[in-house]
Amino acid sequence: QKEVEQNSGPLSVPEGAIASLNCTYSDRGSQSFFWYRQYSGKSPELIMSIYSNGDKEDGRFTAQLNKASQYVSLLIRDSQPSDSATYLCAVNRHSNYQLIWGAGTKLIIKP
Amino acid sequence: GAGVSQSPRYKVAKRGQDVALRCDPISGHVSLFWYQQALGQGPEFLTYFQNEAQLDKSGLPSDRFFAERPEGSVSTLKIQRTQQEDSAVYLCASSFTGATNEKLFFGSGTQLSVL
Repeated sequence: QKEVEQNSGPLSVPEGAIASLNCTYSDRGSQSFFWYRQYSGKSPELIMSIYSNGDKEDGRFTAQLNKASQYVSLLIRDSQPSDSATYLCAVNRHSNYQLIWGAGTKLIIKP
Repeated sequence: GAGVSQSPRYKVAKRGQDVALRCDPISGHVSLFWYQQALGQGPEFLTYFQNEAQLDKSGLPSDRFFAERPEGSVSTLKIQRTQQEDSAVYLCASSFTGATNEKLFFGSGTQLSVL
């Protein structure tokens, strides 16, 4: 079992709809959770970070964390074609600077 | 500088050649990370520097891989006697302090192809 698991996709969502991306992790000691977006051939860029249970909203993006279920998700409202990318989930172990990454979910927003 | 700079952007090496990949982090950033990203996978941790000190090299795949940051700014990742399995994108990232909840700034990466 991988430490951080994501569905590889592709996940196809119509423009204007809500895209829902999911990630599970195995280490219960994990403290910090991140969603990075990576366009093809480009480097990852941080979209959202979340550290405590519940929801965190930033514009069209909402990150949700459930530590009991070891689950973190990213919702993208009013999806735009420019949101088409691979979304990487990354997790910090307790008191550790190392990020453990999922393999990413490819998201396609259809106009 | 304005962002993390990596060079070269692309590198083609014959199997057995040595290569050196350069990373110039954001000025003032204490922490520097090297990651390896295979096609269709997430980045895999290679090594971590805090200033000039290499605090963790546990992710380096073999003793053919060597990294340094002698003056606490520019870093070089060297791969000796390259093998086909070394083909990947090598990403450098920096952060201001390296705290676990801190944003990482990534360079554009070096795509290494070993023939």
